[in-house]
Parts: sequence; C-alpha cells; structure tokens
Amino acid sequence: QKEVEQDPGPLSVPEGAIVSLNCTYSNSAFQYFMWYRQYSRKGPELLMYTYSSGNKEDGRFTAQVDKSSKYISLFIRDSQPSDSATYLCAMSALGGGSNYKLTFGKGTLLTVNP
Amino acid sequence: DAEITQSPRHKITETGRQVTLACHQTWNHNNMFWYRQDLGHGLRLIHYSYGVQDTNKGEVSDGYSVSRSNTEDLPLTLESAASSQTSVYFCASSESRPGTQYFGPGTRLTVL
Repeated sequence: QKEVEQDPGPLSVPEGAIVSLNCTYSNSAFQYFMWYRQYSRKGPELLMYTYSSGNKEDGRFTAQVDKSSKYISLFIRDSQPSDSATYLCAMSALGGGSNYKLTFGKGTLLTVNP
Repeated sequence: DAEITQSPRHKITETGRQVTLACHQTWNHNNMFWYRQDLGHGLRLIHYSYGVQDTNKGEVSDGYSVSRSNTEDLPLTLESAASSQTSVYFCASSESRPGTQYFGPGTRLTVL
C-alpha cells in the first residue's frame, strides 16, 4: 500500500461547480498536511497548510483533515477556469524517522470548463 | 524579491555523460530539496539538505549526488546519465521543517 493515495482523475467540471479533491494515507504519524497547485509546465505552489485535524478556510478553498479516517480533502467553491491545474496533496510527520520529509500524492488533474 | 531559480530550463544529453543541474535560492533558507516528477509517479524526493555540508538521500537517490557548500545553492549531479533519468526536475527550499516548500520552475532533462 502506498503511503499516500490520490485519484489522478482527470476531473472535469463546469464553471461555478464545487470541486472535491481527496487523499488517503496510511502513516498515522503524519501531522502536517498541505495542498499544492501546479499549473502546466510550472513548479508546484502551496495552497493550504494544516496541522493535525480540522478545517481551514481561505477564500474559495477549504481544507479538511480527518486523522481518524486518514483522509484529507480540498474543496473549491465557485470554481473558475483559472483553477484548472494539477492539485497535489503532501504530508509530513514530526521528525523522527521521516526527518521532516514531505510525501506527495501523485496529483489530480482538474479542468474547469467555462 | 526573493526567489528560487533553476538552470538550465531544458537540457538534452547523451547516455553516460555527467550532468549538473543548478538550483539557487535567495531566501536564505537552510532547507533545500531536489525532486523528480514523472507521469504515474508524482513528485519523488532525490536528495535534500538541512544546512551547509549536510546532505541526505531521498527515496530515489541512486545515480544522483548533491553537495552543499553555501546556503544559496544545491547543485544536483547525475554521475552517468541514463535514459531512466529523463524527467522534470524540481528544486525547492523551505525556512522550517516541515515547512512551506517553495519550488523552482523546473528543469526538463532528456537523456538520449
């Protein structure tokens, strides 16, 4: 079983739709959870950063972490064509054997159609 | 503005040649990382450094090496390039561990 599983999609939605992106993980030591957005032929850029469980909201984006289910989600409200990109989840444990490294999901390709 | 740059942006080389990819950041971050990104595999960590003279192997380090002689630079060397090393390479840096990693624009490497 991979440490981090992410459905690669592709996911295609109409403009204005609510988008739900998800990752599951197997390492219960993960405490830090991030979502990165990557436009075509560009480097990833951080969207959301969450520590432990709970929700975090930033504009149209909401990140949720459910540690009991080992499941994280990113919701995009009122999706726009400019949201079309690959979304990568990333996670890290608190030092120890992981040495603070990030483990990434494979990414989900999202297209928002006007 | 502080930034992270990579050079070259595109590189074509032949099997067996030594190749060095440059990464330079102006944030004065102690932590720097090299990843490769391939279809079906996502981002995989090659090497990382938490300070000058510190280097550590990631999950796909075979055939690659790094050295850290100053805070700003972490060059990645492919000792003897192989076709399996054709990929897009990203450098990243962060201020804290684990912290927000800022990625460079990437280097697209083709090994023929």
